[in-house]
This record gives sequence, structure tokens and C-alpha cells, in this order.
Amino acid sequence: DTEVTQTPKHLVMGMTNKKSLKCEQHMGHRAMYWYKQKAKKPPELMFVYSYEKLSINESVPSRFSPECPNSSLLNLHLHALQPEDSALYLCASSQDGGTGWPLAKNIQYFGAGTRLSVL
Amino acid sequence: GEDVEQSLFLSVREGDSSVINCTYTDSSSTYLYWYKQEPGAGLQLLTYIFSNMDMKQDQRLTVLLNKKDKHLSLRIADTQTGDSAIYFCAESIGGGSQGNLIFGKGTKLSVKP
Repeated sequence: DTEVTQTPKHLVMGMTNKKSLKCEQHMGHRAMYWYKQKAKKPPELMFVYSYEKLSINESVPSRFSPECPNSSLLNLHLHALQPEDSALYLCASSQDGGTGWPLAKNIQYFGAGTRLSVL
Repeated sequence: GEDVEQSLFLSVREGDSSVINCTYTDSSSTYLYWYKQEPGAGLQLLTYIFSNMDMKQDQRLTVLLNKKDKHLSLRIADTQTGDSAIYFCAESIGGGSQGNLIFGKGTKLSVKP
């Protein structure tokens, strides 16, 4: 089983709303990732959690706030977004997010994504 | 800097073979991946190859790696209409794979009946 589940599948929000995206995996993976993907573009890394600690923040605006309550769950809290934040938000997980000699256990598995529209 | 290049479009007829090419720049890449993305969906890991391998075959998929030329290809045998999707090449760089996947822009494969 290599399933990463994201909810909701679609989300429409206004610029003053607060919403959250959720991601869950039960593969025992200890690294989880948030990516943003605009139309016809490759995914761009936003955040990486490794062993429930934020380890990479790719200079993402503070209106995006990640949270990792436990090793199976990853949230992305959204507040005061802009229309240009509309995109597909993808979650991924890998067995081990540690640095060092990469092994197959660092292969990332992706969820189906949340399609976000900001009005 | 790191860069992954792919052609943007490929069109083939059903039953033919498809070959999607990719070039990368980072010689320290250790794993190279092919992901498939259908419209409106997430990324599905198709296959990957370790940098000390030249070839990997998995059913209809064959991955060839030319490390000297930094060239990766994905061959899909007997291409079906269900193979129509965008295919992303990606490399993991440096001493670990944590978050440092570099994606190409994706090749849109269209399969005509």
C-alpha cells in the first residue's frame, strides 16, 4: 500500500477565509512534504517535515502555515490567500527524510492533491 | 544549478512504442524517477533507477540511463490510450533525497486510437 490521502479534493475560498488542507498516510513514513503545482508546470516544493519537525521551508509566504501533529498527519493552514495562490496542492511522503546516502526508502509517494481556488 | 529538461509534447498511435527523453545536469544525482500525472490527478510513481544502473525494465516500461551524457529515457511498449498523461522526469540530488527532487517541466503524451 503506497496510499497518501488528501482532503478535500476541491476547495474554493475567499481571500479573508481560513481553511486547512489535510494529508494522511499509514505507511509508517517519517517524512512528509507539501508541494504547489500551477497549471502546466512541475510541482514546486514548499515544506518538508522529517520526524515531525519542519526541516525545509522554501521561503513560502506566512499565509501558508504547515503543521505536523503526528507522523501520519500533515496539515496546511491557509489564511488571507491571494488569487495567485490558486493551484493544485500536493502532499507526498517518504519512508525516511534523513540526509545521508539516499536509499530507496527516500522515494516520495504523492497524494491526488487538493485543487484550490481563491476568489 | 540543477536543471532537468524534457520535450513538452509527444504524440503516438495506439500500439506503437513511446520514448520520452530527459536530460539532467547534476552529476551527483543518485536516483532518477519517472512520475505520471493524469488530468486533475496527483503524481503516480511509475519507476525509478539508481545511478549505478544502465537499464531497468518493468513490464511495458523500460528505463535507460546514460550517465556519461546525463540522459534518461522512458520507453512505453504497446502504448495504450490510458497512457495519455503528463510524464515528469525527476532527479534527487546531493547526499540525501529529503525534499530535493528536481522535476522537469513534463512531457505531455497523447495517444491516438
